[in-house]
Amino acid sequence: AQSVAQPEDQVNVAEGNPLTVKCTYSVSGNPYLFWYVQYPNRGLQFLLKYITGDNLVKGSYGFEAEFNKSQTSFHLKKPSALVSDSALYFCAVRDGTGRRALTFGSGTRLQVQP
Amino acid sequence: EAGVAQSPRYKIIEKRQSVAFWCNPISGHATLYWYQQILGQGPKLLIQFQNNGVVDDSQLPKDRFSAERLKGVDSTLKIQPAKLEDSAVYLCASSPAGPGGTDTQYFGPGTRLTVL
Repeated sequence: AQSVAQPEDQVNVAEGNPLTVKCTYSVSGNPYLFWYVQYPNRGLQFLLKYITGDNLVKGSYGFEAEFNKSQTSFHLKKPSALVSDSALYFCAVRDGTGRRALTFGSGTRLQVQP
Repeated sequence: EAGVAQSPRYKIIEKRQSVAFWCNPISGHATLYWYQQILGQGPKLLIQFQNNGVVDDSQLPKDRFSAERLKGVDSTLKIQPAKLEDSAVYLCASSPAGPGGTDTQYFGPGTRLTVL
């Protein structure tokens, strides 16, 4: 079975400071990892994904994520947070063995204070 | 490019009533997914279609939930009869069905269902 853990329900950061949203996963075989963002009353928007290759993945809106195989982690990062980044962030994993549905974490609410 | 369309956006019903949700995926996307997102949780897959065939419905409560994608384009998800615990946001997503599951899923805005 595949699973995702997002250990923080909420992350608070001041505008202009770096942010990190944590994600660890468990999956058979090679993982395919995704980050999505959800704004109020809207669906999930794709931010970035790791399939293979460089462990540092760059995505939309200045976000990036670092894949660490030994720690089974895929933390989302941004060098300088904006108030508009405040939203709910979901990490998701899919195994590379053929089952293509995503398993999502429970989400982390990011609050960026002005 | 138009995104994934869903309707209605909101629905309030009494328990034991029936309800249906509609989804139109991004044009050309072969794979369509329905997810249930209960408040405070991440989305959970209900059913996955590849064209008009079911790929995975292992987490669909088949005694009350049904879904179809008859022509391999748009899809309908139905609940009959609804229970209080069905209150959730129902998300539809689609993907182009690239090789090996690497393709990205794109989500619609969702339908918020409240069962009273």
